[in-house]
Amino acid sequence: QSVLTQPPSVSGAPGQRVTISCTGSSSNIGARYDVHWYQQLPGTAPKLLIYRNTNRPSGVPDRFSGSKSGTSASLAITGLQAEDEADYYCQSYDSSLSAWVFGGGTKLTVL
Amino acid sequence: QVQLQQSGPGLVKPSQTLSLTCVISGDSVSSNSAAWNWIRQSPSRGLEWLGRTYYRSKWYNGYAVSVQSRITINPDTSKNQFSLQLNSVTPEDTAVYYCARDVDRTDAFDIWGRGTMVTVSS
Repeated sequence: QSVLTQPPSVSGAPGQRVTISCTGSSSNIGARYDVHWYQQLPGTAPKLLIYRNTNRPSGVPDRFSGSKSGTSASLAITGLQAEDEADYYCQSYDSSLSAWVFGGGTKLTVL
Repeated sequence: QVQLQQSGPGLVKPSQTLSLTCVISGDSVSSNSAAWNWIRQSPSRGLEWLGRTYYRSKWYNGYAVSVQSRITINPDTSKNQFSLQLNSVTPEDTAVYYCARDVDRTDAFDIWGRGTMVTVSS
């Protein structure tokens, strides 16, 4: 049971838009700690996709965007491409655990 | 560019100590704006942050409560690397172990090692 809750899977056709939610609580996202998003392709390490809720590292396409409100955050992917098929994880800090915590991950399938 | 190169055994016997090393290139383990982390991933526990070491005029460590009694993370400035030791391992410690950097600018894990699959089995 992860501290941050994500849907196990989402899917969309090429060119469509999908969103992945990340729900936390008053000790992490709701306590104004930043949310970060990672993309993990099969057999590889996670790759930073969005940092501090809305920011993209250089090299990440602007098809990826993040938002945060209250105790939740979302990752949106527009113009879906086959190469976007991967696992996506949200991450934040939890003050009651004094630890960095991750969501359980969402598997994105491009139909 | 910054790279992290992991090394260590892929098989550890129950009750023994898991030891991994992460060599840093392109940055310094003594950086005043970075922290050096160990994170593991398993099907049962997902991604789990284990601990970190960082330098801010002196060395600091922080560990997850779940492993606090068994874990040590040490920097080695002479080799620009940091290490993980996890004592008294059980099969539940079987996972892919990653080293990762976080920097003040992003507050996120922006650089990851390639991962080491560690199996705890006799």
